[in-house]
Amino acid sequence: DAGVIQSPRHEVTEMGQEVTLRCKPISGHNSLFWYRQTMMRGLELLIYFNNNVPIDDSGMPEDRFSAKMPNASFSTLKIQPSEPRDSAVYFCASSLTSGYQETQYFGPGTRLLVL
Amino acid sequence: DAKTTQPPSMDCAEGRAANLPCNHSTISGNEYVYWYRQIHSQGPQYIIHGLKNNETNEMASLIITEDRKSSTLILPHATLRDTAVYYCIVRVGGNYQLIWGAGTKLIIKP
Repeated sequence: DAGVIQSPRHEVTEMGQEVTLRCKPISGHNSLFWYRQTMMRGLELLIYFNNNVPIDDSGMPEDRFSAKMPNASFSTLKIQPSEPRDSAVYFCASSLTSGYQETQYFGPGTRLLVL
Repeated sequence: DAKTTQPPSMDCAEGRAANLPCNHSTISGNEYVYWYRQIHSQGPQYIIHGLKNNETNEMASLIITEDRKSSTLILPHATLRDTAVYYCIVRVGGNYQLIWGAGTKLIIKP
């Protein structure tokens, strides 16, 4: 399996622009997670989908952030408008939720720099 | 807040066993211990997990004390590629939440 695929790997944009990050989870996985990592705050869960339905979006910073999962093989995280404080590495992870044991597998991340 | 305590950094000589400790004194009976690592500029990588028995896989061994209040991740023959930040996480079975602490920065020296 190719693992979790994220695109783009790097994104540089100017403040106020719209940014869209993309994720393809591992085939057969039914849960998808978006995380953000910064030096100051470490790894933070932004949103969790199960069977394409958002279950927990309490970590989404504000209304400028939105996430969708139109089908089992694709998800997007959108920031509109972007701000310099959004600069971070954004990770997508997927897992197969089955009973008590669940292992999350992470993608390589998207490095976002907002100027 | 993270429910685990790890040393901020450790060194280990290449070829030797790296033993990474983790304290989780408030762990509950239904919480698993998970270990992930993050090599610089990469996404976190799953290593191993366990509930109360010791576990071993192709990457590492996990030793959990009988009272479950602490555990040790063992990399049997560390290589330079094992240099990474190692995260110990306790997770309630059936709960998707992984609460990430600061981890242990392991440096493997030649």
